[in-house]
Amino acid sequence: DQQVKQNSPSLSVQEGRISILNCDYTNSMFDYFLWYKKYPAEGPTFLISISSIKDKNEDGRFTVFLNKSAKHLSLHIVPSQPGDSAVYFCAASVQTGANNLFFGTGTRLTVIP
Amino acid sequence: DAGITQSPRHKVTETGTPVTLRCHQTENHRYMYWYRQDPGHGLRLIHYSYGVKDTDKGEVSDGYSVSRSKTEDFLLTLESATSSQTSVYFCAISGGETQYFGPGTRLLVL
Repeated sequence: DQQVKQNSPSLSVQEGRISILNCDYTNSMFDYFLWYKKYPAEGPTFLISISSIKDKNEDGRFTVFLNKSAKHLSLHIVPSQPGDSAVYFCAASVQTGANNLFFGTGTRLTVIP
Repeated sequence: DAGITQSPRHKVTETGTPVTLRCHQTENHRYMYWYRQDPGHGLRLIHYSYGVKDTDKGEVSDGYSVSRSKTEDFLLTLESATSSQTSVYFCAISGGETQYFGPGTRLLVL
């Protein structure tokens, strides 16, 4: 049973525009959330995280928003660049640094030049 | 990039044969993990280690065993490989909050 869901398998965005990737979760005990980016034939690369005490975390072009009441988080990339084309995974755990990360199935982002 | 290597990077084996995958880190991190990635499932935790000789099961541990005799090495063993274990296997390490992943091993069980 998938506790973390990414319902959009793919997303295409024009270069320079905003990319919004969404993630929903079912376990109300999740307390820490992460986004990873993955290029083909490489391992996932950590992008940004947020703990449940915040509703927003920003790092350069990347911002993650958390809505705990809706059990929903999103990753915004502004402006989108062709190098951002990759698969993005959302992950969650019951506490910061917990050993068991639960991953979504990923969203493939294509940024069109 | 975190200093994580995985070997082999690709392997083809036959059903019923034993297979061992190796993860090596140069970061001296306490925690090490093995995940598998399959279409429609994302990444799922197989086993993890919280120190030398200290390991525990993850979400999908059946058919797998692990060993950690040194801080830097974490081995994943498929005692008798099955076709359902065809997957991409990722090792990860953590010194605290965030897990960092290796490049992966693509395993095909025929």
